[in-house]
Amino acid sequence: QKEVEQNSGPLSVPEGAIASLNCTYSDRGSQSFFWYRQYSGKSPELIMFIYSNGDKEDGRFTAQLNKASQYVSLLIRDSQPSDSATYLCAVKVGGTSYGKLTFGQGTILTVHP
Amino acid sequence: GAVVSQHPSWVICKSGTSVKIECRSLDFQATTMFWYRQFPKQSLMLMATSNEGSKATYEQGVEKDKFLINHASLTLSTLTVTSAHPEDSSFYICSATYTGELFFGEGSRLTVL
Repeated sequence: QKEVEQNSGPLSVPEGAIASLNCTYSDRGSQSFFWYRQYSGKSPELIMFIYSNGDKEDGRFTAQLNKASQYVSLLIRDSQPSDSATYLCAVKVGGTSYGKLTFGQGTILTVHP
Repeated sequence: GAVVSQHPSWVICKSGTSVKIECRSLDFQATTMFWYRQFPKQSLMLMATSNEGSKATYEQGVEKDKFLINHASLTLSTLTVTSAHPEDSSFYICSATYTGELFFGEGSRLTVL
């Protein structure tokens, strides 16, 4: 079993729709959870992080964390073509440095006009 | 946010040669930097943690004699791929943490012919 697994893509949604990206992790010691966006040929950029169970909203993005189910998700509301990218879920295990993240394989999102 | 810069952005070399990639923290001091590698259509994998003034720590399966890391100052870490082979062709990304957030460099795409 992969340590961090994301829903298989690619995911295609129409402009204005909600895109839902999912991620599960295997290490119950995981404490911090991150969503990164990566455009083709570029390095990842942080969208959001979440530490506590529940929802965290930032503009059009909402991260949801359920530690009991070992599940974290990212919702993108009012999706725009510029949101088309690969979304990476990353997890930090407790006691490790913030630089030591375990990444999922990524989900490719395409938002079509 | 903090800025991490890499150089070169891309490099092509012949098999058997060595390649050096530089990673600089431009507006903050980084006692620790992290080197990731990303093969095409795969996720980021942590290769090693670069520690200023001391030896780097490598992840399991990463050859320390092949991937030489030097972190001689608080703003510069270098990764040297020695005797590069085509299977070393990848996207190498350095990163550093600042105020609890991980910032990535632009990445360096290595192609070994």
